Amino acid sequence: SAVISQKPSRDICQRGTSLTIQCQVDSQVTMMFWYRQQPGQSLTLIATANQGSEATYESGFVIDKFPISRPNLTFSTLTVSNMSPEDSSIYLCSAGDVYGYTFGSGTRLTVV
Amino acid sequence: RKEVEQDPGPFNVPEGATVAFNCTYSNSASQSFFWYRQDCRKEPKLLMSVYSSGNEDGRFTAQLNRASQYISLLIRDSKLSDSATYLCVVFGGSQGNLIFGKGTKLSVKP
Repeated sequence: SAVISQKPSRDICQRGTSLTIQCQVDSQVTMMFWYRQQPGQSLTLIATANQGSEATYESGFVIDKFPISRPNLTFSTLTVSNMSPEDSSIYLCSAGDVYGYTFGSGTRLTVV
Repeated sequence: RKEVEQDPGPFNVPEGATVAFNCTYSNSASQSFFWYRQDCRKEPKLLMSVYSSGNEDGRFTAQLNRASQYISLLIRDSKLSDSATYLCVVFGGSQGNLIFGKGTKLSVKP
């Protein structure tokens, strides 16, 4: 299964700023996803990162707030823009197929 | 009805106990099913896939009942290291993504 390197692992950011999270996969994968996990909650899908086209966002998430890039089949970024304390969460990228998905180690974001 | 529903936790059991987790899913067209394990402050990791014929991996047994849209995980001879949150996961979201249950927390005590 794919191995994913995600960074940064954690950050503390001022409100109103932006943070870009990167995920690098050790092999080419068709599907990459970005999830958010708020304290005590399960994972919620933010968007599907599509290679060569705009990401597909789930209800409640918009491109202006969470722009995503997917320049090739092994790399994606998620930006959390104009942050507020409500954005404090763990953000995870994931890649795989119908046989199973692996996850990056997560980015623990705190907005102050 | 939520897409994936799990037993509410937490489960607190002694070492050596057998514990069972249950899960139901709402989309009958779902294709694949998994149990993931998530340790505190860590990312989810695939524990095992779930097949209609049932599958076993050491102390862990997973079962799928498509007619009832029901998935189970049985852990025998619980170890302290089994303490974690167990996530019932279904493949088949609108984007070909995984859909997660809220998870059931297991604490195995000495």
